[in-house]
Amino acid sequence: KQEVTQIPAALSVPEGENLVLNCSFTDSAIYNLQWFRQDPGKGLTSLLLIQSSQREQTSGRLNASLDKSSGRSTLYIAASQPGDSATYLCAVPNTGNQFYFGTGTSLTVIP
Amino acid sequence: KAGVTQTPRYLIKTRGQQVTLSCSPISGHRSVSWYQQTPGQGLQFLFEYFSETQRNKGNFPGRFSGRQFSNSRSEMNVSTLELGDSALYLCASGQAGTSAYEQYFGPGTRLTVT
Repeated sequence: KQEVTQIPAALSVPEGENLVLNCSFTDSAIYNLQWFRQDPGKGLTSLLLIQSSQREQTSGRLNASLDKSSGRSTLYIAASQPGDSATYLCAVPNTGNQFYFGTGTSLTVIP
Repeated sequence: KAGVTQTPRYLIKTRGQQVTLSCSPISGHRSVSWYQQTPGQGLQFLFEYFSETQRNKGNFPGRFSGRQFSNSRSEMNVSTLELGDSALYLCASGQAGTSAYEQYFGPGTRLTVT
């Protein structure tokens, strides 16, 4: 069974700082990996989908990398803003669209 | 294109009652998955439907059931509610029946059992 871990569990940074969130998974036979953002009490917003054949995917200030062989992915956020404060989740699916989620990283960007 | 919609957004029920939650996927999406999110357990997979067939089921008791209609809308039912069923229930829709496609989540239904 796939296990997904996210480190750190919580992170607090001053506005403008660049930061990296980490995600690791135990089974490297993945189709893709998806990063989500969740605001308190809300649903999940998809940030980036990185296919297993890709090494990186970028969207605006966000950059996700994937290293299947080592079972790791990182989400890089450049020039953080207070509006980036949220919980960030990574997830990997099995063959049947069942996602295994990490426990998330709670990010606080201090103005 | 409209996103995933879930109704109702909030529900308060009493122990022993039953509840039905609804999810309308993005137009053209045929896969709908359901998740339960609690502070203690995080996001846990309930089941997934594709073309009206349940393809996967998570490790939840039989009190949790679902179905999908021909228009891909899905419903989830929980019978004999327990206090521990209080959670945010999220559904996700996907374009096809494979894992290669991006999943989109709805805003969730917050269920409180008293």
